[in-house]
Amino acid sequence: EVQLVESGGGLVQPGGSLRLSCAASGFTLSDHYMDWVRQAPGKGLEWIGRIANKVNSYNTEYAASVKGRFTISRDDSKNSLYLQMDSLKTEDTAVYYCARRLGGTNRYNDYWGQGTLVTVSS
Amino acid sequence: DIQLTQSPSFLSASVGDRVTITCRASQGISSYLAWYQQKPGKAPKCLIYAASTLQSGVPSRFSGSGSGTEFTLTISSLQPEDSATYYCQQFNNLPLTFGGGTKVEIK
Repeated sequence: EVQLVESGGGLVQPGGSLRLSCAASGFTLSDHYMDWVRQAPGKGLEWIGRIANKVNSYNTEYAASVKGRFTISRDDSKNSLYLQMDSLKTEDTAVYYCARRLGGTNRYNDYWGQGTLVTVSS
Repeated sequence: DIQLTQSPSFLSASVGDRVTITCRASQGISSYLAWYQQKPGKAPKCLIYAASTLQSGVPSRFSGSGSGTEFTLTISSLQPEDSATYYCQQFNNLPLTFGGGTKVEIK
């Protein structure tokens, strides 16, 4: 059974850092692109970035709102995905989801984690 | 960036009604569009991918259509458990983008 479990959320002050983890099981992580998506309280979904699979050299891409502050990485040997968040702002307060992406002509996020809440506040 | 405009943003309908949600893209995205259902406090769940392919396990009352810039999600006979917010997402270009969401309420 495919499972994604995020952890690492919590309360952090503006300007601070936090590292989220996403533990994957039930599939071969190295085969898949992985996305991070967030949802601010009461708001819609926002894609914040992705990391490619091994075949595509683990290339990363980011939304403009987080570029230069957030870094996505992965350790396939540990079946884990990470989101390093630096220089956090109050507007980064959200539930953060990791999601597995299928590729080719059928591109979509088929499995999502349960989400972890990040609150940026003084 | 590709903008996805969903309409309506809210709808209220009765059990058994046929419901249609529209997603319009600011430029052509071929068929690289997915629809998700999200219930409060839960992660999104994919209903439709590639614009019209039903995700495994999703009831057949859900269907999707469209290509290019205009897409629709249809619920043929609304059920109480369909009360949720629905989002479209495009996978044609980076950054990936979502529509603003449609909240569906059961009367």
